[in-house]
Amino acid sequence: GENVEQHPSTLSVQEGDSAVIKCTYSDSASNYFPWYKQELGKRPQLIIDIRSNVGEKKDQRIAVTLNKTAKHFSLHITETQPEDSAVYFCAASIGNAGNMLTFGGGTRLMVKP
Amino acid sequence: DSGVTQTPKHLITATGQRVTLRCSPRSGDLSVYWYQQSLDQGLQFLIQYYNGEERAKGNILERFSAQQFPDLHSELNLSSLELGDSALYFCASSVSPGGSYEQYFGPGTRLTVT
Repeated sequence: GENVEQHPSTLSVQEGDSAVIKCTYSDSASNYFPWYKQELGKRPQLIIDIRSNVGEKKDQRIAVTLNKTAKHFSLHITETQPEDSAVYFCAASIGNAGNMLTFGGGTRLMVKP
Repeated sequence: DSGVTQTPKHLITATGQRVTLRCSPRSGDLSVYWYQQSLDQGLQFLIQYYNGEERAKGNILERFSAQQFPDLHSELNLSSLELGDSALYFCASSVSPGGSYEQYFGPGTRLTVT
């Protein structure tokens, strides 16, 4: 089955700096890659996603890039703010819409004011 | 608010007992997914239902079962509970296959087995 690895497990940045989280996946059939943000004790919240026919997607301060050849994708957060502090999860899904998500292990991002 | 609801929010029970977790998907969503989140295992997919039928199964224990009802709400049944079953259980919903890919998570049920 699919395996998703995520790095780093923790990331500390100064407010205003950029943060980058990287994920690799194992199954070349994966075609959907969402990112979730989870604050302590709360539900994972979808923040951005990308499909395999697109190389990059941006939404205000966050962007995701996908390299299908290398089977990796990354989350970029610019101009970080203290409220960006949370655990971020990448995930991958195989096949048509409606398939299960395989999650990476998570990255705890801490933005220091 | 994602539109996905889960009850109860918290559940404390003893080893060997059985519990039922409930999930109502977003209006119009036909697929329901169950995930388990424990400290050492991250987010693990358990099972998916689509329009009442089981569609995919992950590493779900035989002691666990689920179903989706005609009104599309879903229940996850956990029996013969062990200490290691203590975790956050999330359900997520999405529209039918061929439609939107996005999965939206409910607030979760925190299960504590003592």
